[in-house]
Amino acid sequence: KNEVEQSPQNLTAQEGEFITINCSYSVGISALHWLQQHPGGGIVSLFMLSSGKKKHGRLIATINIQEKHSSLHITASHPRDSAVYICAVRSSTGNQFYFGTGTSLTVIP
Amino acid sequence: DGGITQSPKYLFRKEGQNVTLSCEQNLNHDAMYWYRQDPGQGLRLIYYSQIVNDFQKGDIAEGYSVSREKKESFPLTVTSAQKNPTAFYLCASSPGLLETQYFGPGTRLLVL
Repeated sequence: KNEVEQSPQNLTAQEGEFITINCSYSVGISALHWLQQHPGGGIVSLFMLSSGKKKHGRLIATINIQEKHSSLHITASHPRDSAVYICAVRSSTGNQFYFGTGTSLTVIP
Repeated sequence: DGGITQSPKYLFRKEGQNVTLSCEQNLNHDAMYWYRQDPGQGLRLIYYSQIVNDFQKGDIAEGYSVSREKKESFPLTVTSAQKNPTAFYLCASSPGLLETQYFGPGTRLLVL
């Protein structure tokens, strides 16, 4: 069993739709990261969260530490949002990152 | 511009050969990491380095070696002992260990 599970694995949306990607984890964490990987492979860090909620432009990330769950929301989605979104957690014990397998998002014009 | 560079973008290797992947950063970060990405799997940590002249094994270090002689450089050698080396390799750095990481563009290694 993976320490980090993401859902859905694949997501197709129409331009303008509100999108939610979910991440559940099974280990104690000190921080959770949302990453964006574009075709070609480059990865960009979007958010680092340890509690509550963060917003950057059309992206919103929330975390519920008690439920061990985080969500990434994209408002007014756009084709340029098409990418793989990866959830990663930093364990609270030991020097370790765990990564989800990613959610592949395609936004259709 | 500050950032992380990896070279080459694509690399071909014959079976039985060692190959070295380059990773350079000019962000003045202390920590550097190497990950491997395979289809359908999350990133897996190969090696990491908290500071110059120090490095630690990650989850899948067998068949790989690294060095950290300079702060800005963290090359990864894929040895012939790595039985399934075809993968996408990502290097990252962070100001300190386990802080927000900045990723390089990656190197695709293909064994022929």
